Amino acid sequence: ETGVTQTPRHLVMGMTNKKSLKCEQHLGHNAMYWYKQSAKKPLELMFVYSLEERVENNSVPSRFSPECPNSSHLFLHLHTLQPEDSALYLCASSQDRGGPDTQYFGPGTRLTVL
Amino acid sequence: GQNIDQPTEMTATEGAIVQINCTYQTSGFNGLFWYQQHAGEAPTFLSYNVLDGLEEKGRFSSFLSRSKGYSYLLLKELQMKDSASYLCAVLDSNYQLIWGAGTKLIIKP
Repeated sequence: ETGVTQTPRHLVMGMTNKKSLKCEQHLGHNAMYWYKQSAKKPLELMFVYSLEERVENNSVPSRFSPECPNSSHLFLHLHTLQPEDSALYLCASSQDRGGPDTQYFGPGTRLTVL
Repeated sequence: GQNIDQPTEMTATEGAIVQINCTYQTSGFNGLFWYQQHAGEAPTFLSYNVLDGLEEKGRFSSFLSRSKGYSYLLLKELQMKDSASYLCAVLDSNYQLIWGAGTKLIIKP
């Protein structure tokens, strides 16, 4: 399998549930990203990992918790979400962080919070 | 603040040419990206411009004017499969990508 994969593709959860989103990249990249995409809004960068170290956290609520166990895998743990958190969550990777490297995206997880 | 502006939606006819504009105001500039995103799919890389001028890649071309804070994506010989959203993003002085909201392109037969 090549590129960036994400599971699940669709997720419906209640506000009291706990779930996790998974991202895997098969490109040998060193940097991985979580984005939130809402309709008619720019992509919002949530977290950045470089060589498994979190290097950026853009004021994201604590109900979102990232984890990067190795350079190929990235998780986003979700708990006590709000309906306004419903969106497409995209994972991306790039060769390195801090340069003009192209980011490659996964297909996203469409999250609906009831 | 940092800002990227692009039209929300455009409509064009199959076989025609369309130009999607992007203007930006950012803290520094280290290049501009265009991505294509079909509904329900991943954004995919189209082009990267860091110097002024036109870069051609098949039916798609991208232009940059750094002095004007302006770029456009030109799509020729439009096909139905070109119906998608086109995202403009600028790499600022900290090498952080600043994204536009995207332009939804509708192609009509």
